[in-house]
Amino acid sequence: AQSVTQLGSHVSVSEGALVLLRCNYSSSVPPYLFWYVQYPNQGLQLLLKYTSAATLVKGINGFEAEFKKSETSFHLTKPSAHMSDAAEYFCAVSGGSQGNLIFGKGTKLSVKP
Amino acid sequence: GAVVSQHPSRVICKSGTSVKIECRSLDFQATTMFWYRQFPKQSLMLMATSNEGSKATYEQGVEKDKFLINHASLTLSTLTVTSAHPEDSSFYICSARDKFLSGGSNTEAFFGQGTRLTVV
Repeated sequence: AQSVTQLGSHVSVSEGALVLLRCNYSSSVPPYLFWYVQYPNQGLQLLLKYTSAATLVKGINGFEAEFKKSETSFHLTKPSAHMSDAAEYFCAVSGGSQGNLIFGKGTKLSVKP
Repeated sequence: GAVVSQHPSRVICKSGTSVKIECRSLDFQATTMFWYRQFPKQSLMLMATSNEGSKATYEQGVEKDKFLINHASLTLSTLTVTSAHPEDSSFYICSARDKFLSGGSNTEAFFGQGTRLTVV
């Protein structure tokens, strides 16, 4: 069965610092992986997705993620954090029994001025 | 990208009443829509999968008589919380996949804005 583990429920960085949000997956088949962002009291917005093409995926708002099969990881990074990046981030893998996505528990990103 | 509209964004209701939440795909057809519930500081838990023209598929532990789902068209699914109680207070989010792209699991799901339900 597919699953996703996000290490760290809360990450705090200073404005301008590197953002690194960790995601490891477990999948019995080649996975499709997604990162979503959620602002308070809002739905989820897709940041980027991995669909077995390039292993380094670039998304919106300067985020990118690298698929590493040997490490079963799909960590999200951004070179320089902005105050507007403060939000909850979810990693997800496809393959739910109903065609749904399976989500990690989320990582809350705080950005300090 | 595709747009999913969820309404209302916030609702407060009295205990014992019913509340209907709508989820519409605005610029694409969605054969399948998903309803999630999100508890504070937790992830999204799939409640049920709504299939156009057929009965919804509920996840284990979700009461189908309490959470009524109707998917009458390719662009609209509704979730009705019947006889609501304070423990039903939560954030409910719907998502949909494009009918013409959903053959592959590499297509992302598009999410509504969510509905904050408070039962008093």
